[in-house]
Amino acid sequence: DAGVIQSPRHEVTEMGQEVTLRCKPISGHNSLFWYRQTMMRGLELLIYFNNNVPIDDSGMPEDRFSAKMPNASFSTLKIQPSEPRDSAVYFCASSKKQGSTDTQYFGPGTRLTVL
Amino acid sequence: SQKIEQNSEALNIQEGKTATLTCNYTNYSPAYLQWYRQDPGRGPVFLLLIRENEKEKRKERLKVTFDTTLKQSLFHITASQPADSATYLCALEKGGGADGLTFGKGTHLIIQP
Repeated sequence: DAGVIQSPRHEVTEMGQEVTLRCKPISGHNSLFWYRQTMMRGLELLIYFNNNVPIDDSGMPEDRFSAKMPNASFSTLKIQPSEPRDSAVYFCASSKKQGSTDTQYFGPGTRLTVL
Repeated sequence: SQKIEQNSEALNIQEGKTATLTCNYTNYSPAYLQWYRQDPGRGPVFLLLIRENEKEKRKERLKVTFDTTLKQSLFHITASQPADSATYLCALEKGGGADGLTFGKGTHLIIQP
């Protein structure tokens, strides 16, 4: 299996621009998670989906952030408009079944820099 | 929500010795706890899960303990090797009836040859 796939791996944009991060979970996995990692705050859960339905988005920092999962093999995290404080590494993870007792498999991450 | 504390300073251990990392948590006791390894430029990789009714769990050179009274988990790597150098993250259920994990900031382990 190819594992969780994220694109792009690196993104540099200017403040105010829209940014879209993409994730393809492992085939057959029913839960998908978006995390953000910074030195200051560590790894934070933003939102997670189960069977393509958003279950908990309480970690989404502001209305500028939105996430979708139109089907079982694709999810996006969008930031509009982007700000310098959004600079971080964004990880997508998937797991086979609902419930965080299950092992989460992380993608390689997207390093976002907002100038 | 859960708060997790891991030693933020790097831990330097000589090759061959046992490395011990600590994870302390506050608030309620979780039903389980997970440990992940993260290498630079990569996503975390799952290592072990231990449940509240398990005192200890082992996997090859790794051992995890879970003390719900002390609200602490210890992660041991025996016969440490330079290849074990990485950041190790502790993670707990987010709580409040929700799925998802809360992660500690991790401890950077350096195994010196």
